[in-house]
Amino acid sequence: QVQLQESGPGLVKPSQTLSLTCTVSGGSIRNGDYYWSWIRQPPGKVLEWIGNIYFIGNTNYNPSLRSRLTISIDTSKNQFSLNLTSVTAADTAIYYCARDFAGCSDVWGKGATVTVSS
Amino acid sequence: DIQVTQSPSSLSASVGDGVTISCRTGQPIDSYLHWYQQKPGEAPKLLIDGASNLQSGVPSRFSGRGSGTDFTLTITSLQPEDFAMYFCQQTFDIPYTFGQGTKLEIK
Repeated sequence: QVQLQESGPGLVKPSQTLSLTCTVSGGSIRNGDYYWSWIRQPPGKVLEWIGNIYFIGNTNYNPSLRSRLTISIDTSKNQFSLNLTSVTAADTAIYYCARDFAGCSDVWGKGATVTVSS
Repeated sequence: DIQVTQSPSSLSASVGDGVTISCRTGQPIDSYLHWYQQKPGEAPKLLIDGASNLQSGVPSRFSGRGSGTDFTLTITSLQPEDFAMYFCQQTFDIPYTFGQGTKLEIK
């Protein structure tokens, strides 16, 4: 049973970089059937797809975040990561990592709450 | 971006009732439409992929239909555990986009 777990700071100062890691257990991140995604949910707002990555490093990003976003993967650690630079209060959200199969997210992490505040 | 308009935004129903939630997309997306259920404090759970494919373990009272721009999620004979938020998502084009959500409440 594949499980995903987000980790990282819960509080980030404005203008700094938000960094989160998703650790995959119970399966290999090298499985070519899947992409690995980040999705966020601001308080009381709609889910927003951030981007995804394939095990060989191919990425797809939401154009609205592309200039600030990097998603990377470390197959040796079975982890993938999110870096979002120059954050503002608008980046406050619950951040989920997920496994994508044929486009949809079939396994999700529990979510990490990130607050942007000084 | 492909707009996804979900309706209604909220819905009240009783245990045993049937309900239907709709999603309409701004352009045709074939069957690249998926449905999720989210309960408070939990991550979304995939219910249906490809507009109509029920995920393993999801009760058969859930069903999805549609293709192109118009899609529906139907829940027959509501059970207490079905009262939750429901979201649709299109994955026809990047960026993937979600509907605004439907809050299904007990009447």
